Amino acid sequence: EPEVTQTPSHQVTQMGQEVILRCVPISNHLYFYWYRQILGQKVEFLVSFYNNEISEKSEIFDDQFSVERPDGSNFTLKIRSTKLEDSAMYFCAGRQGPPDTQYFGPGTRLTVL
Amino acid sequence: SQQGEEDPQALSIQEGENATMNCSYKTSINNLQWYRQNSGRGLVHLILIRSNEREKHSGRLRVTLDTSKKSSSLLITASRAADTASYFCATPTGGFKTIFGAGTRLFVKA
Repeated sequence: EPEVTQTPSHQVTQMGQEVILRCVPISNHLYFYWYRQILGQKVEFLVSFYNNEISEKSEIFDDQFSVERPDGSNFTLKIRSTKLEDSAMYFCAGRQGPPDTQYFGPGTRLTVL
Repeated sequence: SQQGEEDPQALSIQEGENATMNCSYKTSINNLQWYRQNSGRGLVHLILIRSNEREKHSGRLRVTLDTSKKSSSLLITASRAADTASYFCATPTGGFKTIFGAGTRLFVKA
Protein backbone atom coordinates (compact mmCIF):
# COMPACT_ATOMS: atom_id res chain seq x y z
CA GLU A 1 0.00 0.00 0.00
CA PRO A 2 1.43 3.43 -0.90
CA GLU A 3 2.58 5.60 1.98
CA VAL A 4 3.40 9.18 2.69
CA THR A 5 7.04 9.51 3.65
CA GLN A 6 8.76 12.32 5.52
CA THR A 7 12.39 13.18 6.04
CA PRO A 8 14.18 13.63 8.29
CA SER A 9 12.50 11.79 11.12
CA HIS A 10 14.19 14.07 13.64
CA GLN A 11 15.75 17.48 13.05
CA VAL A 12 17.65 19.40 15.68
CA THR A 13 18.47 23.02 14.93
CA GLN A 14 19.59 26.20 16.60
CA MET A 15 17.18 29.06 17.11
CA GLY A 16 17.25 31.41 14.15
CA GLN A 17 18.33 28.76 11.66
CA GLU A 18 16.34 27.79 8.60
CA VAL A 19 14.92 24.28 8.31
CA ILE A 20 13.28 22.46 5.44
CA LEU A 21 11.03 19.53 6.17
CA ARG A 22 10.37 17.20 3.29
CA CYS A 23 7.44 15.03 2.36
CA VAL A 24 6.73 12.69 -0.51
CA PRO A 25 2.96 12.33 -0.79
CA ILE A 26 1.12 9.45 -2.41
CA SER A 27 1.39 9.89 -6.16
CA ASN A 28 -2.30 10.25 -7.04
CA HIS A 29 -3.06 12.74 -4.31
CA LEU A 30 -3.93 16.28 -5.28
CA TYR A 31 -4.41 18.06 -1.96
CA PHE A 32 -1.53 18.42 0.45
CA TYR A 33 -1.31 19.59 4.03
CA TRP A 34 1.05 20.37 6.83
CA TYR A 35 0.02 20.00 10.45
CA ARG A 36 1.98 20.32 13.63
CA GLN A 37 1.63 18.87 17.08
CA ILE A 38 3.38 20.41 20.05
CA LEU A 39 4.21 17.72 22.59
CA GLY A 40 1.12 16.68 24.50
CA GLN A 41 -1.19 18.97 22.55
CA LYS A 42 -3.63 18.57 19.70
CA VAL A 43 -2.80 18.34 16.04
CA GLU A 44 -3.02 21.82 14.52
CA PHE A 45 -3.61 22.69 10.90
CA LEU A 46 -0.92 24.83 9.29
CA VAL A 47 -1.56 25.00 5.58
CA SER A 48 -3.24 23.31 2.65
CA PHE A 49 -1.87 23.29 -0.89
CA TYR A 50 -3.67 22.53 -4.11
CA ASN A 51 -2.90 23.19 -7.75
CA ASN A 52 0.51 24.58 -6.84
CA GLU A 53 -0.75 27.24 -4.51
CA ILE A 54 -1.77 27.68 -0.91
CA SER A 55 -5.51 27.18 -0.59
CA GLU A 56 -5.85 27.84 3.12
CA LYS A 57 -3.56 28.65 6.02
CA SER A 58 -3.90 29.10 9.74
CA GLU A 59 -2.79 32.01 11.87
CA ILE A 60 0.20 29.91 12.90
CA PHE A 61 1.46 29.93 9.31
CA ASP A 62 3.05 33.36 9.34
CA ASP A 63 5.72 34.90 7.11
CA GLN A 64 8.36 32.62 8.59
CA PHE A 65 6.70 29.62 6.96
CA SER A 66 6.54 28.68 3.30
CA VAL A 67 5.60 25.63 1.30
CA GLU A 68 6.35 24.46 -2.17
CA ARG A 69 6.10 21.46 -4.43
CA PRO A 70 9.09 22.07 -6.65
CA ASP A 71 9.19 18.92 -8.74
CA GLY A 72 5.72 17.41 -8.62
CA SER A 73 6.68 14.83 -6.04
CA ASN A 74 8.31 16.45 -3.01
CA PHE A 75 6.25 18.76 -0.82
CA THR A 76 8.32 20.90 1.51
CA LEU A 77 7.75 23.10 4.52
CA LYS A 78 10.37 25.76 5.18
CA ILE A 79 10.73 27.67 8.41
CA ARG A 80 13.00 30.63 7.73
CA SER A 81 14.15 31.56 11.21
CA THR A 82 13.19 28.97 13.78
CA LYS A 83 11.99 29.87 17.25
CA LEU A 84 11.96 27.75 20.37
CA GLU A 85 8.18 27.47 20.13
CA ASP A 86 8.48 25.87 16.67
CA SER A 87 9.61 22.68 18.41
CA ALA A 88 6.94 20.13 17.54
CA MET A 89 6.08 17.14 15.39
CA TYR A 90 5.28 18.20 11.85
CA PHE A 91 3.00 15.97 9.83
CA CYS A 92 2.48 16.03 6.11
CA ALA A 93 -0.79 14.70 4.74
CA GLY A 94 -2.44 14.24 1.40
CA ARG A 95 -5.73 13.23 -0.12
CA GLN A 96 -7.25 12.71 -3.52
CA GLY A 97 -10.16 15.07 -2.90
CA PRO A 98 -11.60 17.13 -0.05
CA PRO A 99 -14.16 14.64 1.22
CA ASP A 100 -11.72 11.75 1.18
CA THR A 101 -9.51 10.30 3.83
CA GLN A 102 -6.32 12.14 4.59
CA TYR A 103 -3.22 9.99 4.70
CA PHE A 104 -0.55 11.16 7.09
CA GLY A 105 3.17 10.72 7.05
CA PRO A 106 5.06 9.49 10.12
CA GLY A 107 6.10 13.02 11.04
CA THR A 108 9.30 14.94 11.56
CA ARG A 109 10.21 15.83 15.11
CA LEU A 110 11.72 19.31 15.09
CA THR A 111 13.72 20.38 18.12
CA VAL A 112 14.83 24.01 18.28
CA LEU A 113 17.56 24.72 20.83
CA SER B 1 -15.92 23.87 23.15
CA GLN B 2 -13.91 23.59 19.97
CA GLN B 3 -14.70 21.65 16.83
CA GLY B 4 -13.88 18.00 17.46
CA GLU B 5 -13.66 17.67 21.23
CA GLU B 6 -13.21 14.21 22.66
CA ASP B 7 -14.12 12.87 26.03
CA PRO B 8 -12.92 11.45 28.23
CA GLN B 9 -9.47 13.00 28.04
CA ALA B 10 -8.00 9.82 29.45
CA LEU B 11 -9.30 6.30 29.87
CA SER B 12 -7.71 3.34 31.63
CA ILE B 13 -9.20 -0.13 31.25
CA GLN B 14 -8.27 -3.78 31.59
CA GLU B 15 -7.45 -5.91 28.58
CA GLY B 16 -10.62 -7.51 27.25
CA GLU B 17 -12.88 -4.65 28.28
CA ASN B 18 -14.55 -2.32 25.83
CA ALA B 19 -13.44 1.28 25.44
CA THR B 20 -15.79 4.05 24.39
CA MET B 21 -14.64 7.49 23.35
CA ASN B 22 -16.89 10.36 22.40
CA CYS B 23 -16.44 13.33 20.14
CA SER B 24 -18.52 16.45 19.76
CA TYR B 25 -18.29 18.99 17.01
CA LYS B 26 -19.89 22.32 16.23
CA THR B 27 -20.41 22.85 12.54
CA SER B 28 -22.06 20.78 9.81
CA ILE B 29 -19.86 18.09 8.37
CA ASN B 30 -19.64 15.83 5.34
CA ASN B 31 -17.77 13.18 7.24
CA LEU B 32 -15.96 12.51 10.47
CA GLN B 33 -12.78 10.54 10.86
CA TRP B 34 -11.06 8.79 13.73
CA TYR B 35 -7.30 8.49 13.99
CA ARG B 36 -4.97 6.69 16.35
CA GLN B 37 -1.58 7.92 17.44
CA ASN B 38 0.89 5.83 19.33
CA SER B 39 3.12 7.83 21.64
CA GLY B 40 5.44 10.07 19.66
CA ARG B 41 4.43 8.52 16.37
CA GLY B 42 2.36 9.43 13.33
CA LEU B 43 -1.38 9.45 12.84
CA VAL B 44 -3.03 6.29 11.61
CA HIS B 45 -6.42 6.59 9.96
CA LEU B 46 -8.92 4.21 11.53
CA ILE B 47 -12.30 4.88 10.03
CA LEU B 48 -14.32 7.48 8.15
CA ILE B 49 -18.06 7.82 8.61
CA ARG B 50 -20.07 9.97 6.24
CA SER B 51 -22.80 12.31 7.35
CA ASN B 52 -25.52 10.06 5.90
CA GLU B 53 -24.27 7.05 7.85
CA ARG B 54 -25.25 6.32 11.44
CA GLU B 55 -22.94 3.44 12.24
CA LYS B 56 -19.89 1.83 10.76
CA HIS B 57 -17.82 -1.18 11.72
CA SER B 58 -14.24 -2.11 11.04
CA GLY B 59 -12.93 -5.17 12.84
CA ARG B 60 -13.15 -4.44 16.57
CA LEU B 61 -14.04 -0.81 15.94
CA ARG B 62 -17.54 0.56 15.87
CA VAL B 63 -18.22 4.20 15.10
CA THR B 64 -21.53 5.94 15.45
CA LEU B 65 -22.53 9.36 14.22
CA ASP B 66 -25.46 11.44 15.41
CA THR B 67 -25.64 14.54 13.27
CA SER B 68 -28.60 15.91 15.23
CA LYS B 69 -26.46 15.98 18.36
CA LYS B 70 -23.24 16.71 16.47
CA SER B 71 -21.52 13.82 18.16
CA SER B 72 -19.72 10.61 17.36
CA SER B 73 -18.48 7.71 19.38
CA LEU B 74 -15.70 5.20 18.86
CA LEU B 75 -16.07 1.82 20.51
CA ILE B 76 -13.15 -0.58 20.69
CA THR B 77 -14.34 -4.02 21.70
CA ALA B 78 -12.24 -6.64 23.51
CA SER B 79 -9.39 -4.20 23.95
CA ARG B 80 -5.77 -5.30 23.87
CA ALA B 81 -2.63 -3.79 25.35
CA ALA B 82 -1.62 -2.85 21.81
CA ASP B 83 -4.65 -0.55 21.61
CA THR B 84 -2.91 1.76 24.07
CA ALA B 85 -2.67 5.05 22.17
CA SER B 86 -4.30 8.44 21.76
CA TYR B 87 -7.44 8.57 19.68
CA PHE B 88 -8.54 11.68 17.81
CA CYS B 89 -11.66 12.59 15.96
CA ALA B 90 -11.21 14.87 12.99
CA THR B 91 -13.72 16.88 11.03
CA PRO B 92 -13.16 18.53 7.69
CA THR B 93 -14.28 22.13 7.53
CA GLY B 94 -16.12 23.72 4.63
CA GLY B 95 -12.74 24.72 3.27
CA PHE B 96 -9.68 22.57 2.88
CA LYS B 97 -8.53 21.92 6.41
CA THR B 98 -9.38 19.26 8.95
CA ILE B 99 -9.84 20.11 12.58
CA PHE B 100 -8.60 17.67 15.20
CA GLY B 101 -9.82 17.33 18.73
CA ALA B 102 -7.54 17.15 21.73
CA GLY B 103 -7.77 13.39 21.81
CA THR B 104 -8.52 10.65 24.30
CA ARG B 105 -5.52 8.87 25.81
CA LEU B 106 -6.41 5.20 26.17
CA PHE B 107 -4.36 2.92 28.38
CA VAL B 108 -5.12 -0.78 28.27
CA LYS B 109 -3.64 -2.74 31.14
CA ALA B 110 -2.53 -6.28 30.44
